[in-house]
Amino acid sequence: GENVEQHPSTLSVQEGDSAVIKCTYSDSASNYFPWYKQELGKRPQLIIDIRSNVGEKKDQRIAVTLNKTAKHFSLHITETQPEDSAVYFCAASKGNDMRFGAGTRLTVKP
Amino acid sequence: NAGVTQTPKFRVLKTGQSMTLLCAQDMNHEYMYWYRQDPGMGLRLIHYSVGEGTTAKGEVPDGYNVSRLKKQNFLLGLESAAPSQTSVYFCASRMDRVHGYTFGSGTRLTVV
Repeated sequence: GENVEQHPSTLSVQEGDSAVIKCTYSDSASNYFPWYKQELGKRPQLIIDIRSNVGEKKDQRIAVTLNKTAKHFSLHITETQPEDSAVYFCAASKGNDMRFGAGTRLTVKP
Repeated sequence: NAGVTQTPKFRVLKTGQSMTLLCAQDMNHEYMYWYRQDPGMGLRLIHYSVGEGTTAKGEVPDGYNVSRLKKQNFLLGLESAAPSQTSVYFCASRMDRVHGYTFGSGTRLTVV
C-alpha cells in the first residue's frame, strides 16, 4: 500500500517567519494530496489540497507544491502567527482510501 | 447541519469487553472511514466503506469489525478489547475520491 513520510517531526519558528513541511509518497498512482491541521484536543481540519494535475496551489498565507516526478509535496506557511501552532498532517490518496504522514508539530514563538 | 458526529466521546473498557462506536454523517457522503490516532504515528486506517452495504479493510483491521447498514451510519466494533486498542478513534467521510475528509470530533478509548 501507499507509504507517506513526513519531515520534520517538530518545527519551531519565530512569528513572522516562514515554515515548510515536506512529504514523500511511494505510489506514483496517488492523485490527491490534502493537508490537515490539528489543534490540541481537536479534530483534524482540511486546510488545503492539491490534485495531481496541478503543480502549485495557494490560499492566502499557505501554499502547497507537488513534484510528481520526485513523488514529493510540501506545505509552505508564510508570515506565521501564534495561532498557526498545531500538528500538521500530509496525506496521499489513490482510489478509495487515504494514507497519512506521522505529523509535524509546528510551534510559532511570539 | 451537524457534519460528522461520533458517539461516545470517551469510554473506559476492561480487557475482554466489547463495544461499538457510532459515526453518523448528514452530508450524504458515500465514503466513510475509521482511523485510530496514536502519539507519533499519525492516523492509521482501520476500515472503510465506499457505500451502503460495503466495507473493506485498511492498514490495521485486526480486532475490529465494521458495518454500514445505512448510508449515513458507520459502526466500529471491538470484539474483545485489548490494552493495545487504547487510542483516539476518528471517523471521517468524504464526497468522492478527490475531496478531503470531514472528521468527527473523536472518541478517546482507554482499555485497562
